[in-house]
Amino acid sequence: QVQLVESGGGVVQPGGSLRLSCAASRFTFSNYAMHWVRQAPGKGLEWVAAITYDGSNEYYADSVKGRFTISRDNSKNTLYLQMTSLRVEDTAVYYCAKRLQSWEFDYWGQGTLVTVSS
Amino acid sequence: QPALTQPASVSGSPGQSITISCTGTSSDVGGYKFVSWYQQHPGKAPKLIVYDVTNRPSGVSNRFSGSKSGNTASLTISGLQAEDETDYYCSSYRTTSTLVFGTGTKVTVL
Repeated sequence: QVQLVESGGGVVQPGGSLRLSCAASRFTFSNYAMHWVRQAPGKGLEWVAAITYDGSNEYYADSVKGRFTISRDNSKNTLYLQMTSLRVEDTAVYYCAKRLQSWEFDYWGQGTLVTVSS
Repeated sequence: QPALTQPASVSGSPGQSITISCTGTSSDVGGYKFVSWYQQHPGKAPKLIVYDVTNRPSGVSNRFSGSKSGNTASLTISGLQAEDETDYYCSSYRTTSTLVFGTGTKVTVL
């Protein structure tokens, strides 16, 4: 069974930085595009970013463009999300998700909570 | 990036059928076949139940079905069961190589 395990969440002050990781196992990580999706407390889902299977292309939501960077290390089966200039409105559970075949996600991690607060 | 519009809540009695709508524009729902639906129980990660407008992943009940007309996609749950009571989200690929989710719908089984 595919496994995605996020880590790196925590409490950070506005303007700070944080790097999330997503360790993937039990599938050929290097064959699949990967995404980050977030959910603010009590709110709906928001797509954050995507990266192609080989890391050659990245895509971002307007709300995070220029502040967040998605990357991957296929040798370590790990997806990353580098977050800088964090804002209170970035507070959310961040999920990593595996692409099925186009723009849908068949497997999700358990999520990691990022809280931006002074 | 405005979200796709879903009704805040939909309800039905056990055994009935309900339909959740997901309205976008020609730049997302109306322009592509990449519409998906997710079920999310409280405190859990979302679960994919429909993709590419009408397809169900392996293991998903055939009580869930999807369709699309113009800029509006729909999810129908037939034979409503108590376990279907939770939140549902649509999503669609959008021009500019981004993804947009719907506002979410809470389904209540009466």
